[in-house]
Amino acid sequence: GAGVSQTPSNKVTEKGKYVELRCDPISGHTALYWYRQSLGQGPEFLIYFQGTGAADDSGLPNDRFFAVRPEGSVSTLKIQRTERGDSAVYLCASSSPPGTPSTDTQYFGPGTRLTVL
Amino acid sequence: AQSVTQPDIHITVSEGASLELRCNYSYGATPYLFWYVQSPGQGLQLLLKYFSGDTLVQGIKGFEAEFKRSQSSFNLRKPSVHWSDAAEYFCAVGQAGRRALTFGSGTRLQVQP
Repeated sequence: GAGVSQTPSNKVTEKGKYVELRCDPISGHTALYWYRQSLGQGPEFLIYFQGTGAADDSGLPNDRFFAVRPEGSVSTLKIQRTERGDSAVYLCASSSPPGTPSTDTQYFGPGTRLTVL
Repeated sequence: AQSVTQPDIHITVSEGASLELRCNYSYGATPYLFWYVQSPGQGLQLLLKYFSGDTLVQGIKGFEAEFKRSQSSFNLRKPSVHWSDAAEYFCAVGQAGRRALTFGSGTRLQVQP
């Protein structure tokens, strides 16, 4: 597609449930990022993939959060045993391969708004 | 650790007036600096970026920003604001060798007719 897409756009779940959020990056982009944006705040980095592997997962808040990118394209962010504090907009971004122009520029999707009741 | 401060939570300007949004960063080496804009329900759109070279950078929609190392600042400016510029603006900093961006908490811009 033309840009980064994320599904669903909205997700409402109950405390303790498991959720999966999907990100489809720009075609040809090898790098993929997940951020979390709480109300009134700027995005906070969660994890970065280069290809299929997580190159930096230092932003994941705890072991309830996990992300995969098995074929180096689509990524899924998984949250187990959701808590009310997980409510936020989850943003995905992608960037072009190293050595290409604008490789350091991240292009963001519209986000998934997660509400944990 | 790097950090970004956007001192103004909310700014209101009249349409046609000039605009300056402040951004201060904390980082030891030369940072990569970005300004993004976020409209309600939309993703973040890149306005401009600075990596090196000329410290005055031009972006889309008539925006520009100036990197001032001595002040650790990267303020965003526009000479004449349009009503469609009403949105939230985020400054972000990155560094060579690490892809994670650190964002400020944002400045909400309101434009009065």
